Amino acid sequence: DTGVSQNPRHKITKRGQNVTFRCDPISEHNRLYWYRQTLGQGPEFLTYFQNEAQLEKSRLLSDRFSAERPKGSFSTLEIQRTEQGDSAMYLCASSLAGGYYGYTFGSGTRLTVV
Amino acid sequence: GENVEQHPSTLSVQEGDSAVIKCTYSDSASNYFPWYKQELGKRPQLIIDIRSNVGEKKDQRIAVTLNKTAKHFSLHITETQPEDSAVYFCAASREGNAGNMLTFGGGTRLMVKP
Repeated sequence: DTGVSQNPRHKITKRGQNVTFRCDPISEHNRLYWYRQTLGQGPEFLTYFQNEAQLEKSRLLSDRFSAERPKGSFSTLEIQRTEQGDSAMYLCASSLAGGYYGYTFGSGTRLTVV
Repeated sequence: GENVEQHPSTLSVQEGDSAVIKCTYSDSASNYFPWYKQELGKRPQLIIDIRSNVGEKKDQRIAVTLNKTAKHFSLHITETQPEDSAVYFCAASREGNAGNMLTFGGGTRLMVKP
């Protein structure tokens, strides 16, 4: 297991298009998180899964954002009708549940909306 | 919700000197405080963490202290080296059955001058 994998690494899209990102967590980790990071800022929480259940969503997450984690394995994050303000690094992280465990982050997907 | 403030935003030290980064948090129920190091263009990596039942934790040149009463915690790096240059993020969360969503500080850019 080589850690948390995210694809694609970079995505350039035109405003109004839909985009989808994929995250493959560490196989034994049952928690999966999506964060967004803009330049010079700390990561900002978007949503969280425990196994296949989406247990928490940030109130900052608009209806244009949706995430899934079918079968509790990989996860996808879709942004519909992208806006320039969506340009950011989208980070996925995974962890074990049931204790004080730090996250393992993926390398992120950098989205640029033009 | 939780709010984490971090300072300074930039810190420049001479190689061999110590560096201290401070964070405050607002939610007295937070009980887990990790620190992440993020090098340019790379993923955040966990470098040390502390739980609320511990006042101090050390790992080689890195130490973290926690003052629950004052709701602040600090990262101490001794004998700094050029490879310590990076952005450091503190974070806080409340571990429990509902999950472990981290709230991050705004980051500190540490520059170690050789």
